[in-house]
Amino acid sequence: ETGVTQSPTHLIKTRGQQVTLRCSSQSGHNTVSWYQQALGQGPQFIFQYYREEENGRGNFPPRFSGLQFPNYSSELNVNALELDDSALYLCASSLVPGIRDEQFFGPGTRLTVL
Amino acid sequence: KQEVTQIPAALSVPEGENLVLNCSFTDSAIYNLQWFRQDPGKGLTSLLLIQSSQREQTSGRLNASLDKSSGRSTLYIAASQPGDSATYLCARGGAAGNKLTFGGGTRVLVKP
Repeated sequence: ETGVTQSPTHLIKTRGQQVTLRCSSQSGHNTVSWYQQALGQGPQFIFQYYREEENGRGNFPPRFSGLQFPNYSSELNVNALELDDSALYLCASSLVPGIRDEQFFGPGTRLTVL
Repeated sequence: KQEVTQIPAALSVPEGENLVLNCSFTDSAIYNLQWFRQDPGKGLTSLLLIQSSQREQTSGRLNASLDKSSGRSTLYIAASQPGDSATYLCARGGAAGNKLTFGGGTRVLVKP
């Protein structure tokens, strides 16, 4: 059973650019959630996808968008990057909502915006 | 607003001492409570998940309790080891399958 994987590991962008982060869910999981973790803080929920549809969104602007593919892998896209977007971005996968709901996290992508 | 608080933010103990980590939440209508470990610059490792209908979960040296009426969860780590040094985060699960709301974490240092 493979765990949650994310790519790339690190990324450096400049303000105003766009970035795409990728996540592969744990085998058998069909729900993926994305979180942003600023340095020294707990993760903040960005959004969740279930069966390729958005299934809940946190307090993040529309320039944060996502996709989930038929194989349950996922992308997080951020447009018009701002300095405050510098953070560790984590994705988590889980089984069908409403059953056990234990979320398993990937290693994260460290994004630095200059 | 649903909030999760972890106090203290940092903790240092000698090896062998039992660790007690606290987590409080404002909304008693939780779906579940999950504890995670995070090593510096790394992702989150799930330690224990407590469903709202449960009062505690145990795994090896770890035991987590849940008291919905007081809005508290406690993670106990018995006989701490230097390898237990990490940040421990608790997260409250809301509606089924929905977002986790995290506390700020407790950074633990176990001194040899």
